[in-house]
Amino acid sequence: QVQLQQAGPGLVKPSQTLSLTCAVSGDSISSNSAIWNWIRQSPSRGLEWLGRTYYRSEWHNDYAVSVKSRIIIDPDTSKNQFSLHLNSVTPDDTAVYFCARGVTAGDYWGQGTLVTVSS
Amino acid sequence: EIVLTQSPGTLSLSPGERATLSCRASQSVNSNYLAWYQKKPGQAPRLLIYGVSNRATGMPDRFSGSGSGTDFTLTISRLEPEDFAVYYCQQYGNSSWTFGQGTKVEIK
Repeated sequence: QVQLQQAGPGLVKPSQTLSLTCAVSGDSISSNSAIWNWIRQSPSRGLEWLGRTYYRSEWHNDYAVSVKSRIIIDPDTSKNQFSLHLNSVTPDDTAVYFCARGVTAGDYWGQGTLVTVSS
Repeated sequence: EIVLTQSPGTLSLSPGERATLSCRASQSVNSNYLAWYQKKPGQAPRLLIYGVSNRATGMPDRFSGSGSGTDFTLTISRLEPEDFAVYYCQQYGNSSWTFGQGTKVEIK
């Protein structure tokens, strides 16, 4: 059974970096068929895909245009997990953040982490 | 970017009734990569349908998806109490996902 377990702080100050991790069990993040995504949900933006990382002989990333200048998603193969780093956050980045596995759709999801951006 | 518009915003129905949810895309969805999710408060989205009409593992057969091109439908043939939730459509294209704004199915 594939499981995704999220971890990270629930409160981040404006202008700082939001960092979350997603630990995967039951699958390998280095799999040549899986893709690992970050999505967020807020009342103002709804569900918003942020980006993805995947391994196809080498690591690849794709990011949403809306956050492309501020986001990094990176894998940690030693821990079989991947991380989201979103810098220069503002209150508009307050949302519930989810990680998910999937190429064309998300079949397994993390439990979600509410991140509030506030001083 | 493809924009997905869901209608209606809210559907008020009774248990046992049929629910028909619509998802319209601003342009044709690539290779019919259209999925539907169920979401309840405090939970992650749950994949119901992928590839327009394929039920995800373990999903009851009262859930069905149809459509092509720009118009897609999720049908719940007979609402059970646990089906009252928000439903989202999602498409995959240009190496990214976009979601509709959701349809809330509430108890009448």
